[in-house]
Amino acid sequence: TQLLEQSPQFLSIQEGENLTVYCNSSSVFSSLQWYRQEPGEGPVLLVTVVTGGEVKKLKRLTFQFGDARKDSSLHITAAQPGDTGLYLCAGGPGAGSYQLTFGKGTKLSVIP
Amino acid sequence: DAGVIQSPRHEVTEMGQEVTLRCKPISGHNSLFWYRQTMMRGLELLIYFNNNVPIDDSGMPEDRFSAKMPNASFSTLKIQPSEPRDSAVYFCASSSTGNQPQHFGDGTRLSIL
Repeated sequence: TQLLEQSPQFLSIQEGENLTVYCNSSSVFSSLQWYRQEPGEGPVLLVTVVTGGEVKKLKRLTFQFGDARKDSSLHITAAQPGDTGLYLCAGGPGAGSYQLTFGKGTKLSVIP
Repeated sequence: DAGVIQSPRHEVTEMGQEVTLRCKPISGHNSLFWYRQTMMRGLELLIYFNNNVPIDDSGMPEDRFSAKMPNASFSTLKIQPSEPRDSAVYFCASSSTGNQPQHFGDGTRLSIL
């Protein structure tokens, strides 16, 4: 069974601070997706990374896929209250496969 | 464009009652997923349909759970009889094909008393 561990589980920071959250596994994934989920809503896809070492930027968010494709990080610069939410990572096992393995998420609160 | 639509948004019922959750996927998407989310276990895949056919129901917890997809624009997840441990948020998601990004509905928050 492939498992994804996310850390920290909870994070509360002040507006303007930087933060990094992590997604780790002992298994190799062909791709890794990051979602943000706001209270009362479903997860919304932010990015997909597919190549070991790949870095993608989405405004103030920087996503990195580990060289061995077993881990990923999400860095947020100058966090804003609108960044508040549950950040989920999900690993995809292979091309053509539908199965996603989700981590339990990091719950981020950005305090104004 | 309309996203994945789920109903009801909230359901509170007593144990032993039948519960039916509904989902309308995005038009043109041929893959549909039902998930359950709890604090303890996170998001778990219950069942996956492709072209209205159940492909993988290994995540369905027990026989009390059943899912159908009678046509490309509608799916149901039924729990009968319901138990308090079924309390969770149930999400439906759809994608254009099985391995493409999944679009989630806003979920049904189910509470079994």
